[in-house]
Amino acid sequence: DAGVIQSPRHEVTEMGQEVTLRCKPISGHDYLFWYRQTMMRGLELLIYFNNNVPIDDSGMPEDRFSAKMPNASFSTLKIQPSEPRDSAVYFCASSPRLVAGGTQYFGPGTRLLVL
Amino acid sequence: AQTVTQSQPEMSVQEAETVTLSCTYDTSESDYYLFWYKQPPSRQMILVIRQEAYKQQNATENRFSVNFQKAAKSFSLKISDSQLGDAAMYFCAYRSASSGNTPLVFGKGTRLSVIA
Repeated sequence: DAGVIQSPRHEVTEMGQEVTLRCKPISGHDYLFWYRQTMMRGLELLIYFNNNVPIDDSGMPEDRFSAKMPNASFSTLKIQPSEPRDSAVYFCASSPRLVAGGTQYFGPGTRLLVL
Repeated sequence: AQTVTQSQPEMSVQEAETVTLSCTYDTSESDYYLFWYKQPPSRQMILVIRQEAYKQQNATENRFSVNFQKAAKSFSLKISDSQLGDAAMYFCAYRSASSGNTPLVFGKGTRLSVIA
């Protein structure tokens, strides 16, 4: 298995631009999580899905952030418009259902820099 | 809400020696999972070891072992025979098991340096 795939790996953009981060979870995993890592706040959950349905989006900072999971093999996290404080590493993680262990496997992350 | 505390921002160890990283957590739940993740400079999050709260036996994975003290809400990671490749950030994480597959709650991390 290729593991969780994220693209792009690095993104540099200017304030006000739209940014779209993409994630392909491990095949067969029912859960998908988006986390953000910053120096100030550490690793924090943004949103997670179960069987393509958003379960908890309370970590999404504000309306500028949106996430979708149109099918079991693809999810996007969109920031529009982007701001310098959105600069961070964004991780996608997937996991099987709890009865199969429920361990979360992380993608390599997308390092976002908003100028 | 659950919280995870790693009180050691930085640690160092001599190659081939043993080091212990500390982690405490706060929860009112009885059923949960605990994890240690390693993050090398590449930023990849790599699972090191996991512990189910209902198991009394401490988990081990080769040179990595944990000391799980449920009553004290403590979950330390011991790395034996430290190697240069162990240098990384280490994150302790908690996950509830009471309502499906829930998100991880992370500590702030401990940066481990390995001295040759």
